[in-house]
Amino acid sequence: DAGVTQSPTHLIKTRGQQVTLRCSPISGHKSVSWYQQVLGQGPQFIFQYYEKEERGRGNFPDRFSARQFPNYSSELNVNALLLGDSALYLCASSPGTSNNEQFFGPGTRLTVL
Amino acid sequence: EDKVVQSPLSLVVHEGDTVTLNCSYEVTNFRSLLWYKQEKKAPTFLFMLTSSGIEKKSGRLSSILDKKELFSILNITATQTGDSAVYLCARTPNNAGNMLTFGGGTRLMVKP
Repeated sequence: DAGVTQSPTHLIKTRGQQVTLRCSPISGHKSVSWYQQVLGQGPQFIFQYYEKEERGRGNFPDRFSARQFPNYSSELNVNALLLGDSALYLCASSPGTSNNEQFFGPGTRLTVL
Repeated sequence: EDKVVQSPLSLVVHEGDTVTLNCSYEVTNFRSLLWYKQEKKAPTFLFMLTSSGIEKKSGRLSSILDKKELFSILNITATQTGDSAVYLCARTPNNAGNMLTFGGGTRLMVKP
C-alpha cells in the first residue's frame, strides 16, 4: 500500500512569492494535517482537515491557508513568503480525528531566498 | 500553553548501550502521547500511549507513560548504528481532533 505522498520534494522561492504544496493521504484515510518543521526543532501544527472541513488551526498567520479535496488530498498555500518560512513541511494522514496515530509523508523542503 | 519537553537534547552512545529518552508534558487536557523516529524526513510512528503504567514494546524499543507525573520514557536496549535518529514525542489533546504538539526532539547518535 502506498504511504502518504507529498509534492514537490524540494522548492526554492524568493521573498514575497506564493507557494502551493500538495499531499495525498493513505488510501482510506480521511484526515490530513500539516506541520512545519524548522531545522533543529520539532514539527509545529498548522492545520487539520477532515471530510473537507477545517478541524483545527495552529498559531500561524493568515498567509497560510489549506484545503482538502473530495478525494481527501490536500493543498497547503503560503502567500507573501518570508525568509522564516524556510522549513520542512510535513503532511500526516489518519483515518479520522479520534485517537489515531498519524502517518507522515516525506515532506517538502521549502527554501525562501 | 501545552508544552512538551524532551531531554536530553542529544546523546552519543556506543553500540550495545542502553538509552533512556525522556518526555514531559504540561497539559490542561490530554488524550495520548506518541513517539516517533525521524531519520531524514518523514517521522515514523513508534508507539501511542494512553494508559499509565502499561509498557508498550517493539523489539528492542519500549515505552511507558506516567499520567500522574506527566512524563513518558522511551528505552532502547542493545543500541545499533541504525538507531541513530531524532526521537520525537508528541501529545494529542482530549477534545475533537488529533493534532500533535511535539517536543523539540532528542538527537541520538550510536557509534560503532
